[in-house]
Amino acid sequence: EIVLTQSPGTLSLSPGERATLSCRASQSVSSSYLAWYQQKPGQAPRLLIYDASSRATGIPDRFSGSGSGTDFTLTISRLEPEDFAVYYCQHFTFGGGTKVEIK
Amino acid sequence: EVQLVDSGGGLVQPGGSLRLSCAASGFTFSNYWMNWVRQAPGKGLEWVANINQDGSDKDYVDSVKGRFTISRDNAKDSLYLQMNSLRAEDTAVYYCARGRTWIDYWGQGTLVTVSS
Repeated sequence: EIVLTQSPGTLSLSPGERATLSCRASQSVSSSYLAWYQQKPGQAPRLLIYDASSRATGIPDRFSGSGSGTDFTLTISRLEPEDFAVYYCQHFTFGGGTKVEIK
Repeated sequence: EVQLVDSGGGLVQPGGSLRLSCAASGFTFSNYWMNWVRQAPGKGLEWVANINQDGSDKDYVDSVKGRFTISRDNAKDSLYLQMNSLRAEDTAVYYCARGRTWIDYWGQGTLVTVSS
């Protein structure tokens, strides 16, 4: 079973700053099978990125995904107030999540 | 509009059973892999089980193998999760979710609490 490790656990940033979230797999995965989700309190997760770098429908272009093999990154170019949430990567199973909080 | 409506959660004693249901609408249900994903209170997401389009291929996380059974009824556009021998650690919100390599739609979740 492939284990996904997300870092950091918590990211404290201000609106307008750039957020860089990491997802590392325990062994190489196909980029076609790597997705990112956003979850806000009390809500179901929302798909942001699939195939490692493709934005889902309706997702703003400030969200971007990159990476291959074992190292993947979700970047939020300029944080908006609504972006403060928990983010998960997924390759069938999920990573432990990164919380992006307001500094 | 794609909709997934989860139901069937509740309070159950350790060792008990519960059956979750998910009613799908707004898309051709029989064309998609489906999943159950859970989230324990204050914790992260955990994939639980998935099933292919005709129900012939199923997979489970190790912690529920032999206790949980995923199934579907394409004639009723419905997904199910039969949960037996429930444990305290199964307490979570359970989400029905569409997709295989990524999940594009989620139900609203149904809370399962295992406690005496």
